[in-house]
Amino acid sequence: GVTQSPTHLIKTRGQQVTLRCSSQSGHNTVSWYQQALGQGPQFIFQYYREEENGRGNFPPRFSGLQFPNDSSELNVNALELDDSALYLCASSPTRGEGGYTFGSGTRLTVV
Amino acid sequence: GESVGLHLPTLSVQEGDNSIINCAYSNSASDYFIWYKQESGKGPQFIIDIRSNMDKRQGQRVTVLLNKTVKHLSLQIAATQPGDSAVYFCAENIQWGGKLIFGQGTELSVKP
Repeated sequence: GVTQSPTHLIKTRGQQVTLRCSSQSGHNTVSWYQQALGQGPQFIFQYYREEENGRGNFPPRFSGLQFPNDSSELNVNALELDDSALYLCASSPTRGEGGYTFGSGTRLTVV
Repeated sequence: GESVGLHLPTLSVQEGDNSIINCAYSNSASDYFIWYKQESGKGPQFIIDIRSNMDKRQGQRVTVLLNKTVKHLSLQIAATQPGDSAVYFCAENIQWGGKLIFGQGTELSVKP
């Protein structure tokens, strides 16, 4: 499946954070979502074969990387209180075909 | 964003009854739709999907109906069980971008 680390994280406003994801084996597409409390996940961006392949309505301080070994990162700079949310990683075989498998997420709290 | 508010619609059913969860999607260009179940503290879990060239698809105890004319999806759960209690999201996929657009979600509560 898809595994994410850490499961929980507390950061101070203005700090930077890196969240990690290990995709399901054989999946070459990874997407990141932000889920605020009581809402559906919101698309941040997608990576396909290590290149960004679509971006949602998030500022440039949200950035990502995808590595050849089925792992990826979400980086957020200059954290704001509103960045507090559950961050979900999802992988799929090829650009969404065959569905997406989600990890359990990282709960980020910004204080 | 596509999801608004802190209070999810709630559906409360008795164990053994059938449940119907509805969803309106936003983009007529969407060609792939997925229902997800999300339990507390977990990520969304795939339930069933349907492509836009179909209007009905059945799985184990679940059926998804698609009405493209009114941009409406429904998820039917037969013989609902306490383990079905969760938040259910519909998601639409626009092929070009590969991103999923999630609906607001419905909280299903099953009473034993």
